[in-house]
Amino acid sequence: GAVVSQHPSRVICKSGTSVKIECRSLDFQATTMFWYRQFPKQSLMLMATSNEGSKATYEQGVEKDKFLINHASLTLSTLTVTSAHPEDSSFYICSAREQGVRLTEAFFGQGTRLTVV
Amino acid sequence: EDKVVQSPLSLVVHEGDTVTLNCSYEVTNFRSLLWYKQEKKAPTFLFMLTSSGIEKKSGRLSSILDKKELFSILNITATQTGDSAVYLCAVRDNQGGKLIFGQGTELSVKP
Repeated sequence: GAVVSQHPSRVICKSGTSVKIECRSLDFQATTMFWYRQFPKQSLMLMATSNEGSKATYEQGVEKDKFLINHASLTLSTLTVTSAHPEDSSFYICSAREQGVRLTEAFFGQGTRLTVV
Repeated sequence: EDKVVQSPLSLVVHEGDTVTLNCSYEVTNFRSLLWYKQEKKAPTFLFMLTSSGIEKKSGRLSSILDKKELFSILNITATQTGDSAVYLCAVRDNQGGKLIFGQGTELSVKP
């Protein structure tokens, strides 16, 4: 099946620094990737939809200047958490849909656990 | 506002029991409903349902969708300790294809 690789799986950073998370589709082309955030004991909340070659679409309440998304190619999207604060500590997960294929499941990356100290 | 509601939020059963997990939704532009199993990390795909009344089955798991009443159920028969996980229900909308997740049901299967 389709594989989505997310890196890193775990990161600890100091408050005020920036962290970049990569999401790659390994064996298919993904025109659309989605970024989710999951707090402990809660469900996945969509942060933004990333479209290759265009600006990301952010959900209400998500600061686009804080969570920078770049989708420069059909196989790579990145999420950069800028000036991270402890409240940004969470589990970040990306998912990707295969280009030109309708009615498919979304394939998830392994997730990145971010801890800001 | 689109929403997906799962019940119960948590459930404790013993091995061999059968469980039914519920998912109801209010989504303006419904395309499909998906079930995922989440253990420690990212969700793993279980089922995708698009048509009413057609049961999908995989081993001890099965699921069905009712688009008239706007709900789906996930059944697990003869539960095993390895079934312990959070089960997530998500609805894909028809515009952009984003997934709207429910809160999840945390299932714990005791030996």
